[in-house]
Amino acid sequence: DGGITQSPKYLFRKEGQNVTLSCEQNLNHDAMYWYRQDPGQGLRLIYYSQIVNDFQKGDIAEGYSVSREKKESFPLTVTSAQKNPTAFYLCASSIVQANTEAFFGQGTRLTVV
Amino acid sequence: GESVGLHLPTLSVQEGDNSIINCAYSNSASDYFIWYKQESGKGPQFIIDIRSNMDKRQGQRVTVLLNKTVKHLSLQIAATQPGDSAVYFCAENRVTGGGNKLTFGTGTQLKVEL
Repeated sequence: DGGITQSPKYLFRKEGQNVTLSCEQNLNHDAMYWYRQDPGQGLRLIYYSQIVNDFQKGDIAEGYSVSREKKESFPLTVTSAQKNPTAFYLCASSIVQANTEAFFGQGTRLTVV
Repeated sequence: GESVGLHLPTLSVQEGDNSIINCAYSNSASDYFIWYKQESGKGPQFIIDIRSNMDKRQGQRVTVLLNKTVKHLSLQIAATQPGDSAVYFCAENRVTGGGNKLTFGTGTQLKVEL
């Protein structure tokens, strides 16, 4: 089945540790995105990538890092510099053509204790 | 200190009634708009989209209206059903130097009462 897979669904980490969230897609999409969602709020863009080996900061990139070594994969690292890392993280992908929708994964809920 | 979560705007409707969810967008350069539905604990799902050269687009039980003059979008759901209960987001797309940038609104919680 084609789609976007985020893993794990739930993740717990101790404060001060870096953690990497996985996002894989087999839709042959060039563009991939990471969003953060806090309770009762909308989605805020962390990073996005339109092509392999290139990515752009979104609106809230501080404390996060990404890589795009393969078209299918766009992992997000939440570093110890992120002050409030506990949130629901959503990955999405789309074709690069303008005016097309993004398809979302099922999310990873990260809890830092 | 710890931030306090905001309460989403909530729309309560009776089953079978029509629902209208509104959204204001900020950037007059946005050229494409999407409505997403998000159920609890899941990723957003595409509902319907509209390009900036259109005023109205209809799908199955859903209609999106775009008013560019006042930068306003609305999503109309006909004959609302219990399965429509979810959070609904509008998103605006702009083409930037870095590619497509999709920006989301804060969302509206739709509750369908039996």
